[in-house]
Amino acid sequence: DIQMTQSPSSLSASVGDRVTITCRASQSIRNYLHWYQQKPGEAPKLLIYEASSLQSGVPLRFSGSASGTDFTLTISSLQPEDFATYYCQQSYRTPPTFGQGTKVEI
Amino acid sequence: EMKLVESGGGLVQPGGSLRLSCAASGFTFSSYEVNWVRQAPGKGLEWVSYISSSGRTIYYADSVKGRFTISRDNAKNLMYLQMNSLRAEDTAVYYCARGYCSGGTCYRFDPWGQGTLVTVSS
Repeated sequence: DIQMTQSPSSLSASVGDRVTITCRASQSIRNYLHWYQQKPGEAPKLLIYEASSLQSGVPLRFSGSASGTDFTLTISSLQPEDFATYYCQQSYRTPPTFGQGTKVEI
Repeated sequence: EMKLVESGGGLVQPGGSLRLSCAASGFTFSSYEVNWVRQAPGKGLEWVSYISSSGRTIYYADSVKGRFTISRDNAKNLMYLQMNSLRAEDTAVYYCARGYCSGGTCYRFDPWGQGTLVTVSS
């Protein structure tokens, strides 16, 4: 199985901060990497697909990038509604696998 | 609006069985692949199973293979997860999620249902 390693596992930030979360795949997954946001008590929501494409309706402050097997989710200016847990996930091979999550806290 | 609604969760004893349902609306269910993904309390996300639009192709995570069975009824816009020989470690919120296809697989999950909680305990 392809292992997805996210870092950090948690971070503290303030409104207006620039936040970066990284995800590393254990082997090449091309750009089949997606990012999800999950708030407490809610289902995950797709933010970014195929490394850098913004899902419809997602604010422009969210962006994604890739370099080899390293992927990055960036929130350019953190808003109060962005405090949540973020997961990366590869869809290149079966089984699809998730990173362990990054909790963004105030 | 595309919507998925899970039902059927509850408390079950170890070794018992449960059947989850996922009702789809707002899109042509028979044209899309669907998946089950679960989340143990306080833990991360784990993919469980996949079924193709026709129902002919099915995959399972190793952790549930031989115990869980995925199926669908396209005429009723429903998907099911039959869970047998349940263990404490199967305790989780179970989500159904449409699988958008790209690159030869259908594991871009969007949208997700709200989830249904399965608790395996004596």
